[in-house]
Amino acid sequence: GAVVSQHPSWVICKSGTSVKIECRSLDFQATTMFWYRQFPKQSLMLMATSNEGSKATYEQGVEKDKFLINHASLTLSTLTVTSAHPEDSSFYICSAISRLVGTDTQYFGPGTRLTVL
Amino acid sequence: ELKVEQNPLFLSMQEGKNYTIYCNYSTTSDRLYWYRQDPGKSLESLFVLLSNGAVKQEGRLMASLDTKARLSTLHITAAVHDLSATYFCAVDILGYQKVTFGTGTKLQVIP
Repeated sequence: GAVVSQHPSWVICKSGTSVKIECRSLDFQATTMFWYRQFPKQSLMLMATSNEGSKATYEQGVEKDKFLINHASLTLSTLTVTSAHPEDSSFYICSAISRLVGTDTQYFGPGTRLTVL
Repeated sequence: ELKVEQNPLFLSMQEGKNYTIYCNYSTTSDRLYWYRQDPGKSLESLFVLLSNGAVKQEGRLMASLDTKARLSTLHITAAVHDLSATYFCAVDILGYQKVTFGTGTKLQVIP
């Protein structure tokens, strides 16, 4: 099946710094990528939908100036958490689909655990 | 606003027993997904259900979809310890994979 990678897998940073998380589709062209956040023992919450070459669509309540999403190519989307604070500590998961071939399945990355001190 | 609820939230069962996890959703949809998540890991796709009456089986797991009742079930047959994980259903109401996840069911299978 299709493979989606994330980098880094775990990051610890100080409050006030920015952190960039990469999501890559390794063997297919991802026309759409999704970014989710998952707090401990909770479900996944969709943060934003990212289409290649266009601005991301953010879900209600997600600050677009704080969570910067860039989908510059068909294999890479990045999520930058700006001026991170401890409440941003969470498990961030991306997923990707390809509308070029048509698929009913999202392929999920392995996740990035962010801890803000 | 679409709401997706799973029942139960936590389930502890002995090996060899059967049980069903329920996923109810509030808005019409004929696209539903089941995922498995192990602790500290991302999601593994289990089933994709795309029509009313769809039934899919893989090993000891069987999933079904009743779009009229807005209900999907995940049935576990003769549970084994390896099935211990958290299971999520996810519903797509718009048809382009913008899914809403259920609350999750944490399954613990006791040897």
